This record gives sequence, structure tokens and C-alpha cells, in this order.
Amino acid sequence: GENVEQHPSTLSVQEGDSAVIKCTYSDSASNYFPWYKQELGKRPQLIIDIRSNVGEKKDQRIAVTLNKTAKHFSLHITETQPEDSAVYFCAASKRGNKLVFGAGTILRVKS
Amino acid sequence: NAGVTQTPKFRVLKTGQSMTLLCAQDMNHEYMYWYRQDPGMGLRLIHYSVGEGTTAKGEVPDGYNVSRLKKQNFLLGLESAAPSQTSVYFCASSKADEQFFGPGTRLTVL
Repeated sequence: GENVEQHPSTLSVQEGDSAVIKCTYSDSASNYFPWYKQELGKRPQLIIDIRSNVGEKKDQRIAVTLNKTAKHFSLHITETQPEDSAVYFCAASKRGNKLVFGAGTILRVKS
Repeated sequence: NAGVTQTPKFRVLKTGQSMTLLCAQDMNHEYMYWYRQDPGMGLRLIHYSVGEGTTAKGEVPDGYNVSRLKKQNFLLGLESAAPSQTSVYFCASSKADEQFFGPGTRLTVL
């Protein structure tokens, strides 16, 4: 089955700097890669996703890149703000199938 | 729309007790899922359903049962709770790829 590894487990950045979180997956048939943000005590919420027919996707300060050959994808947050502090989860799935999540990255943005 | 709701929000059980967690969604989604979230382990899929009347095992199904008698509801049961089932439980639903999560249930088993 699918296995998703996520790094780093914790990341501290200064406000205004960029943050990058990386994930690798094992199943080459996976074709959907979402990123979820979870604030303390809250539910996970989708912030961006990418499908395997696309190499990069941007939405304001966040972007996701996908390298199908290497089977890894990354989340990029630019101009970080204190409200970006949260736990971020990557996941992978085959269309119509269940998501497999990474273990999560705790992002701390220091002001 | 309320989206995805879960009841109860918190519960404390003694070892061996049983309980049922209820998940409801008003988005007419076909797919529903139950996850557990433990520190440092992300979200792990317990059971899921691809439609009314169907259920399937996920990554960590042991000790849990589920039912999907109505399209909008997905029930998670613990027949004999164990301390290892102390966790935060999230329900989710989806129409296609994007999953929408409920607010979670924090369960403690003593």
C-alpha cells in the first residue's frame, strides 16, 4: 500500500521568511496530493492540492510542486505570517481511493 | 449548511465500556471516513464507506466497527474500549477528491 513520509517534523521560521515542507510517496499510481492545515484544537482544512497531470500550482502565498519521477511533492509558503503557525499534513491517494497522510509538520512562525 | 458534524465532542470511558460516535453530513457526499489522530502519527484511516450500506476497512480497523445505514450518517462503534483507543477521532466526507472534516471527538479511555 501507499506510504507517505513528511519532513521536517518541526520547522521554525522568522516572520516574512519562506517555509518549505517536503513529502515523498511510494505508490506510483497515486495521482492526487492535497495539503491540509490544522490549527490547535481545530479540524484539518484543505489549503491546496495538486493532481499528477500538473507540476506546480499556486494560490497567493502558497504553492505546491510535484515531481512524479522522484515521487515527491512540496509545500512552499512565502512571506510567512504568525497566523501560518499550525500543523501541516500532506497526503496522497489514487482517484476515488482513500487518502494516506504524512505524520505532519509543526510550523512555528516567530514574530 | 452545517457541513460535517460529530457527536459527542468529548467522552471519557472506562476500559471495557462501549460507545458510538456519530458523524453526520448535509452535503450529499457519497464517501465518508473515520480517522484517528495521535501525536506524531498524523491521521490514520480506521474505516470508510463509498456509499449508503457499504463499509470497508482502513489502515487501523481492529477494535472498531462502523455502519452507514443512511447516506448522511456514518457511525463508529467501540465494543470494548481499551486505553490504546484514547485519541482524537475525526470524521470526513467527500464527493470526489477533497475531504471535508468534522470538528473531532476527543476520547479518553481510562
